[in-house]
Amino acid sequence: KQEVTQIPAALSVPEGENLVLNCSFTDSAIYNLQWFRQDPGKGLTSLLLIQSSQREQTSGRLNASLDKSSGRSTLYIAASQPGDSATYLCAVREYSGGGADGLTFGKGTHLIIQP
Amino acid sequence: GAGVSQSPRYKVAKRGQDVALRCDPISGHVSLFWYQQALGQGPEFLTYFQNEAQLDKSGLPSDRFFAERPEGSVSTLKIQRTQQEDSAVYLCASSIGDRLYGGYTFGSGTRLTVV
Repeated sequence: KQEVTQIPAALSVPEGENLVLNCSFTDSAIYNLQWFRQDPGKGLTSLLLIQSSQREQTSGRLNASLDKSSGRSTLYIAASQPGDSATYLCAVREYSGGGADGLTFGKGTHLIIQP
Repeated sequence: GAGVSQSPRYKVAKRGQDVALRCDPISGHVSLFWYQQALGQGPEFLTYFQNEAQLDKSGLPSDRFFAERPEGSVSTLKIQRTQQEDSAVYLCASSIGDRLYGGYTFGSGTRLTVV
């Protein structure tokens, strides 16, 4: 069974710092990997989607990399801002062949950017 | 609509009561997923629809949980005889394509509290 682990579980840094969030998964036979942001009491907002054939995706100050063979992804946030404070979730999508395959999520990294 | 809409946003139910949670996906989206997110955890897969067909319900925790999408658009997740352990945020997500390729768009969720 696929397991997704996110490290660290929580992170608090002063604004302006560059930071890296880590995600690892146990089964490398994934179809894609997606990073989400979740604000308190809200649903999930998709940040970046990386297909299994890709190595990285960039959007503004965010950069996500994928090393499928080693089962790892990182989310890099440049020049962090207080508005970046949220929980960041990593999720992998598998090709199960038979039934449907939803996403398998990690527990998230709770990020606080101090003004 | 522009996004995935879920209602109600909040639901408080007495133990033993039946509840129904509604999801309006983005118009034209083929795939629809339901997830359950307990406090401090990542979302966990419940069930998946492709149009009106429920292709996987392996994540439903018990036979008290039932989901339908009769016309391939709006979906309802029903929980019978609610228990305290059912307290969670229930998230709905839709995707334009089949389960393998597209990124997901999530709704804001329904927070269910069973007292």
